[in-house]
Amino acid sequence: GQQLNQSPQSMFIQEGEDVSMNCTSSSIFNTWLWYKQDPGEGPVLLIALYKAGELTSNGRLTAQFGITRKDSFLNISASIPSDVGIYFCAGRGRGSNYKLTFGKGTLLTVNP
Amino acid sequence: NAGVTQTPKFQVLKTGQSMTLQCAQDMNHNSMYWYRQDPGMGLRLIYYSASEGTTDKGEVPNGYNVSRLNKRELSLRLESAAPSQTSVYFCASSSPSQRGGHNEQFFGPGTRLTVL
Repeated sequence: GQQLNQSPQSMFIQEGEDVSMNCTSSSIFNTWLWYKQDPGEGPVLLIALYKAGELTSNGRLTAQFGITRKDSFLNISASIPSDVGIYFCAGRGRGSNYKLTFGKGTLLTVNP
Repeated sequence: NAGVTQTPKFQVLKTGQSMTLQCAQDMNHNSMYWYRQDPGMGLRLIYYSASEGTTDKGEVPNGYNVSRLNKRELSLRLESAAPSQTSVYFCASSSPSQRGGHNEQFFGPGTRLTVL
């Protein structure tokens, strides 16, 4: 089946720093999504990307759909304490309207 | 608008016991999903229901059954719980996005299940 490699597994940063995380796939995806999960909660969608090369922002967050369609990255600028949580990438492959494949997550800790 | 709700929030079972996890959504979504989340594993799809009256297996369906009770509700049944089913279970729902596919899945708060 499709697999996503998400890195890094965890990050410890100081408030105000920029953060970058990425996902790579063994196969082509038609859609890339980035979710955030706060402790004790379900994941919440941050950004959705629909075509190769697309660059989309949501406030301090920016994500890009890789040209090869096998990778995506998420940047967070000027991090704040409430950015703490687990960030997941997810992809939807060809012929799969419903199934998403999730990465294993990046645990972000922000030191005030 | 409650979104996606799940009951119970916590449950402890003994090996071999059965239970049903309940999920309901009030967003009039066609599709619903059950995932499990294990440490370091991300989210894995157990079963999904593309529309009322249909259910399909996901990535890890063994040991589970689902029932789409109506458009609002999808239940997940563990007939004989095993310690390997200790996990956090998330229900989600979605409708077609403007660009095709069911991308924006809305998740419930989760059910934390421990099987002893």
